[in-house]
Amino acid sequence: NAGVTQTPKFRVLKTGQSMTLLCAQDMNHEYMYWYRQDPGMGLRLIHYSVGEGTTAKGEVPDGYNVSRLKKQNFLLGLESAAPSQTSVYFCASSLQGVNAKNIQYFGAGTRLSVL
Amino acid sequence: GQNIDQPTEMTATEGAIVQINCTYQTSGFNGLFWYQQHAGEAPTFLSYNVLDGLEEKGRFSSFLSRSKGYSYLLLKELQMKDSASYLCAVRPMNSGGYQKVTFGTGTKLQVIP
Repeated sequence: NAGVTQTPKFRVLKTGQSMTLLCAQDMNHEYMYWYRQDPGMGLRLIHYSVGEGTTAKGEVPDGYNVSRLKKQNFLLGLESAAPSQTSVYFCASSLQGVNAKNIQYFGAGTRLSVL
Repeated sequence: GQNIDQPTEMTATEGAIVQINCTYQTSGFNGLFWYQQHAGEAPTFLSYNVLDGLEEKGRFSSFLSRSKGYSYLLLKELQMKDSASYLCAVRPMNSGGYQKVTFGTGTKLQVIP
């Protein structure tokens, strides 16, 4: 069982460069999320999606864009990377439904450094 | 919104019991999660409490008091592999749509021999 797979695992960018982080899940989950985790800040929600073709802003969306063209994939884009975007990025997915516990399953993370 | 508070760090001895507290203030509440995160790894689900009381799952138990906005995670018979960060997360009540979960900053537990 692959669960949630993120690529790449590590990346170093120069300021102003762009990149896309890929997230794939094989659990047929409706909901998918992108978080960033910084020391002392905890997990902060960047964007999320409640289904194929839909996305919404989270707590810290500025400087990021997302797309959910297929149910199993959720892409996070950085258009013009800044040093403030140096972080560990986690993708997660969960089942939908008001009565669902909404337990989130996380990928292994992408460690991004912007110089 | 939600405000979640948990201690930054704790140290406990192998074989002992440790209690990690979490307090929260929220405009609506629908449940509280505990996740474990080993250094350099992804968070993994431990427990979910909706109703008041204690839920036991092996060496780990989680307690919730909705009226006090308080939860704790109890780890018994500590093992070295329990050294990790423990994240408290709150799921709010809302009238419709997706209920965004808010995570605390986590408690880093170090288990020493």
